[in-house]
Amino acid sequence: AQSVTQPDIHITVSEGASLELRCNYSYGATPYLFWYVQSPGQGLQLLLKYFSGDTLVQGIKGFEAEFKRSQSSFNLRKPSVHWSDAAEYFCAVGASSNYQLIWGAGTKLIIKP
Amino acid sequence: NAGVTQTPKFQVLKTGQSMTLQCAQDMNHNSMYWYRQDPGMGLRLIYYSASEGTTDKGEVPNGYNVSRLNKREFSLRLESAAPSQTSVYFCASSVRRASYEQYFGPGTRLTVT
Repeated sequence: AQSVTQPDIHITVSEGASLELRCNYSYGATPYLFWYVQSPGQGLQLLLKYFSGDTLVQGIKGFEAEFKRSQSSFNLRKPSVHWSDAAEYFCAVGASSNYQLIWGAGTKLIIKP
Repeated sequence: NAGVTQTPKFQVLKTGQSMTLQCAQDMNHNSMYWYRQDPGMGLRLIYYSASEGTTDKGEVPNGYNVSRLNKREFSLRLESAAPSQTSVYFCASSVRRASYEQYFGPGTRLTVT
């Protein structure tokens, strides 16, 4: 069955430190991959997406993600986090069989001052 | 350009009461979606509407009904609310189903007592 796993429920990072959020997926075909961010009390906003081509994709707010087919991963990175990055981050896979998004459970990012 | 709007923002219901959650988008998108978000479970699709005049069940449709009133509006109805329907509900839209990139409203926090 198709699934998305975000192994870390919470991650705490100091302001200015680098960040990597993990996402692993299980999907038979070439996946369409997404990262969304949800600020407290808000809806979800698309950070970046991968459909094909260059496996390193750039997104908004200084985020990037790398697709690694061999590891079935699409990890999100940022070189230096800001307090405003505190939010919940969701990884999702687009299933071409039914055009639906399959969502991970989310990772809550906490920023230490 | 308001994007996706949802009303109400908060609602408390007693078990057995009914209510309708409203959603509207002004981006001329064809497809619209209703999700529920529960802690540790990511987003689960309740119903979607691929285009005006069509609706289909998602992963967790039981206890809900939807209406695609026109291209802009997609409502979600709880006929007889149950405590298990306590959740945060998000409406989203996309250009079309196969575009995957979804735009979210701010959500409705529903509590059923």
